Amino acid sequence: QVQLVQSGAEVKKPGASVKVSCKASGYSFTTYGMSWVRQAPGQGLEWMGWISAYNGNTNYAQKFQGRITMTTDTPTSTAYMELGSLTYDDMAVYYCAREYSGSYDYWGQGTLVTVSS
Amino acid sequence: IVLTQSPGTLSLFPGERATLSCRASQSVGSSYLAWYQQKPGQAPRLLIYGASSRAAGIPDKFSGSGSGTDFTLTISRLEPEDFAVYYCQQYSSSPTFGGGTKVEIK
Repeated sequence: QVQLVQSGAEVKKPGASVKVSCKASGYSFTTYGMSWVRQAPGQGLEWMGWISAYNGNTNYAQKFQGRITMTTDTPTSTAYMELGSLTYDDMAVYYCAREYSGSYDYWGQGTLVTVSS
Repeated sequence: IVLTQSPGTLSLFPGERATLSCRASQSVGSSYLAWYQQKPGQAPRLLIYGASSRAAGIPDKFSGSGSGTDFTLTISRLEPEDFAVYYCQQYSSSPTFGGGTKVEIK
């Protein structure tokens, strides 16, 4: 069965970077793109960007341009999302989600990123 | 594209029908709208894609309709496990989500 397993919770200081991993299993990794979506406490969902697991092409939300990097590692079927210059506004649960014709049919369990001095 | 969901909260009894609305600031076509269900502490779950196609394993009490700028998610008879927050999402352009509708037990 399809599974996306994310790395554990992180605590970072303002100005630092965080890198979250998402290990996929149960399907051909390079056949689907992967998006990252975040959710601040008590808030809605926010799309951050997408990466093609086939060729590494990326499309980032304008809001995060310049401080976000998405990558994949095909041998381990793992996607990564790195977000830099963290502020308190970046405190959220970060999800990876497999893209299915533009929608997201499988999601990781989420990774809580706490920003604290 | 901005998605506006209404109402913000829907209070209903189990067994009742739920009708959730999602309005887009510009046309998203007929095939680029999805609906998700999210329960506390869980990741979202895809219910509907392409405005009206149910995702794998989704029961037929969930149905989606609409095109252009107006879309609807209907839950025919609410069961206890259906009380949750529902989000719409468009993928006609850079993906965006609506603010969500909370369906709560009356």
